[in-house]
Amino acid sequence: DTAVSQTPKYLVTQMGNDKSIKCEQNLGHDTMYWYKQDSKKFLKIMFSYNNKELIINETVPNRFSPKSPDKAHLNLHINSLELGDSAVYFCASSPMSNYEQYFGPGTRLTVT
Amino acid sequence: ELKVEQNPLFLSMQEGKNYTIYCNYSTTSDRLYWYRQDPGKSLESLFVLLSNGAVKQEGRLMASLDTKARLSTLHITAAVHDLSATYFCAVDDGGATNKLIFGTGTLLAVQP
Repeated sequence: DTAVSQTPKYLVTQMGNDKSIKCEQNLGHDTMYWYKQDSKKFLKIMFSYNNKELIINETVPNRFSPKSPDKAHLNLHINSLELGDSAVYFCASSPMSNYEQYFGPGTRLTVT
Repeated sequence: ELKVEQNPLFLSMQEGKNYTIYCNYSTTSDRLYWYRQDPGKSLESLFVLLSNGAVKQEGRLMASLDTKARLSTLHITAAVHDLSATYFCAVDDGGATNKLIFGTGTLLAVQP
């Protein structure tokens, strides 16, 4: 069984569209995260939820909106996609603060 | 603001040789993580270092943490081709949210 899963794996879309990426973890963890990895492989935290509560909200455009319907799921919705949004988006989870984070397989978003 | 620097950014080494990757960070933290990323893949957790002087070893890799020097090292012993990957260190920012700041990554290429 996959511990942290994301859908879709690849997403190709045009500028101006709205898209969503879904993440699910079956590890029973309390905390989930979204990261963005750019073309230079630089990884940056975007958001984090703990038990459905937003606890990290980095400086990202408000076109990005996370939603956590329950502690096993964290989705990322992106409005009005721009070329610069092209990247790999990773979901991660951890059991609680002070523990390592487990990463999903990533979603490669390409905006044309 | 916590900054994390890794060096070198790129490392080409021959099989059988030893080398060290360095991870420096700018503010106090006693939680540091090492991850491995293969091309097009997710991040795999290698080591969790949670206190000053922590040393962990797995196969040909050994990681250590010196919180006073704000330095972690990842030492590679007798490199083999299978170790070729990008290695990231990530430092917890010391807050209550388990926020990780990633280093730039070190691309390791082990040549036969």
